[in-house]
Amino acid sequence: ETGVTQSPTHLIKTRGQQVTLRCSSQSGHNTVSWYQQALGQGPQFIFQYYREEENGRGNFPPRFSGLQFPNYSSELNVNALELDDSALYLCASSLQASGTYEQYFGPGTRLTVT
Amino acid sequence: EDKVVQSPLSLVVHEGDTVTLNCSYEVTNFRSLLWYKQEKKAPTFLFMLTSSGIEKKSGRLSSILDKKELSSILNITATQTGDSAIYLCAVESGNTGKLIFGQGTTLQVKP
Repeated sequence: ETGVTQSPTHLIKTRGQQVTLRCSSQSGHNTVSWYQQALGQGPQFIFQYYREEENGRGNFPPRFSGLQFPNYSSELNVNALELDDSALYLCASSLQASGTYEQYFGPGTRLTVT
Repeated sequence: EDKVVQSPLSLVVHEGDTVTLNCSYEVTNFRSLLWYKQEKKAPTFLFMLTSSGIEKKSGRLSSILDKKELSSILNITATQTGDSAIYLCAVESGNTGKLIFGQGTTLQVKP
């Protein structure tokens, strides 16, 4: 157990809807990264939040957005859901944004878009 | 474009066998290479490698990085059924902590 928690565990949404996923980082960690893992693929970096600011973004459209709160928990919001957004969404927390600190993953949220 | 490639994509062995998983990368501004084990959902951290040629060990698992060859291997000796999982290799690129993952190697250990 890494101490990183995510909610909800599973979610089913309809195309065009909006969804919010939540992540609580491990105690003492100030950085949260979000990843999308499609079936049979490795996780893909969406973005990272460090001390409440976006600190890097992968190749995802603007309808993927996020927030980090003062307690370093984070939200991932996806608007105008598409079928291809069906995936496991993982968040990872680390002690610092970079400098070779290990990232510890939460259990993920399985999103299904129908 | 940055990429990480793992081989083989899948592997079936019997308990007691030794396996070697491979990871090669082409990444600008390399910071570190990490190995994770993914059983059901959350990838579990195994190793972080930053220096070439230094082996990291944890029980039956070990890993080494070769910066000249831009590659790493993960060895598992005396495999057990509990080692069955997807093994992910990731490279940290740049100063944002962004991890670039390979596709993973699915290992099945039969009794």
